[in-house]
Amino acid sequence: GENVEQHPSTLSVQEGDSAVIKCTYSDSASNYFPWYKQELGKGPQLIIDIRSNVGEKKDQRIAVTLNKTAKHFSLHITETQPEDSAVYFCAASPLYGNKLVFGAGTILRVKS
Amino acid sequence: DTEVTQTPKHLVMGMTNKKSLKCEQHMGHRAMYWYKQKAKKPPELMFVYSYEKLSINESVPSRFSPECPNSSLLNLHLHALQPEDSALYLCASSQVLEKLFFGSGTQLSVL
Repeated sequence: GENVEQHPSTLSVQEGDSAVIKCTYSDSASNYFPWYKQELGKGPQLIIDIRSNVGEKKDQRIAVTLNKTAKHFSLHITETQPEDSAVYFCAASPLYGNKLVFGAGTILRVKS
Repeated sequence: DTEVTQTPKHLVMGMTNKKSLKCEQHMGHRAMYWYKQKAKKPPELMFVYSYEKLSINESVPSRFSPECPNSSLLNLHLHALQPEDSALYLCASSQVLEKLFFGSGTQLSVL
């Protein structure tokens, strides 16, 4: 089955700096890759996703890149703000959403 | 309305109790999910309902019993749980084979 590895496990950045979180997956059949943000006491919130026929997708300060050959994808957050502090999970799925496999998560701390 | 509503938010139960978790969505989604999340871990899939029929059961113990009464509601019936079942239980919904939207979860403590 699918296995998703996520790095780093914790990331501290200064407000205004960029943050990058990387994930690798094992199943070449996976073709959908969402990113979720989870704040304390809340459920995961979908922040951006990408399909395998696209190499990059951007939404304001957030971007995701996908390298299918290398089986890795990354989340890029620019101009970080204190409210970006949360746990971020990457995920992969061979179908568009039905059976997501999550990475272990990254705790992002943005220091002001 | 893009919200998945879960009740209760917190639940404490003994090992001999029977309780139910409830989930509701009004986005017209036809797939609904139960996930379990332990502290500092990612969510783990338990069950998937598609068009009100159980389509995936990830070998979950029978003390967890899901129910989908209609396309907007999803229940998780709990009976004879163990302390290790204490976790955050998340409900999610989606159009079939589309993006998942999660509720805020029920924090369950089994004493």
